[in-house]
Amino acid sequence: GAGVSQSPSNKVTEKGKDVELRCDPISGHTALYWYRQSLGQGLEFLIYFQGNSAPDKSGLPSDRFSAERTGGSVSTLTIQRTQQEDSAVYLCASSFPSSEKLFFGSGTQLSVL
Amino acid sequence: GESVGLHLPTLSVQEGDNSIINCAYSNSASDYFIWYKQESGKGPQFIIDIRSNMDKRQGQRVTVLLNKTVKHLSLQIAATQPGDSAVYFCADSGGYQKVTFGTGTKLQVIP
Repeated sequence: GAGVSQSPSNKVTEKGKDVELRCDPISGHTALYWYRQSLGQGLEFLIYFQGNSAPDKSGLPSDRFSAERTGGSVSTLTIQRTQQEDSAVYLCASSFPSSEKLFFGSGTQLSVL
Repeated sequence: GESVGLHLPTLSVQEGDNSIINCAYSNSASDYFIWYKQESGKGPQFIIDIRSNMDKRQGQRVTVLLNKTVKHLSLQIAATQPGDSAVYFCADSGGYQKVTFGTGTKLQVIP
């Protein structure tokens, strides 16, 4: 497809389990972002990848959160030992080089029971 | 810390009227500002942007105004339609492509 693709669209997990969220950016987009959106809230920056540069991890809330981007394309956000407060929509976005115009996926709704 | 914030969490507008959504930013280094629209169950979608060397930019039915003196940004929607009902976010970037989003304003269009 032509847009940013995220999977799964919904994920229900039990407290303490690990989860992996996937993002396929638009082809040719070198920048990739992860944001978290709690119910009724704004977008909380998590991590930013740009080409081969070291990622900006300054937004990751704890060491339970990590992200990788393989081959400069697909990214995986991993949350270990999930907690109820991790429940939120996780949004991925990508952009062309030197552009702050972000294209978002539809997000993954994570529910931790 | 630096933040981008909105004045009103919810705005109700009669169909056909003009809507004005306001945003204050605090990062004096911000040089690029963007408005996004987020419909229920979807990711935010780009509406319009403006660079800090401009104070006004117009699109189709939308206008963004930037007042750098008071660090204020607004989005004006002309002849608001039911399809405009959504949450609107302002965002800013001070370079390095790290885009920071505000809380959002929910626009409700009354038929």
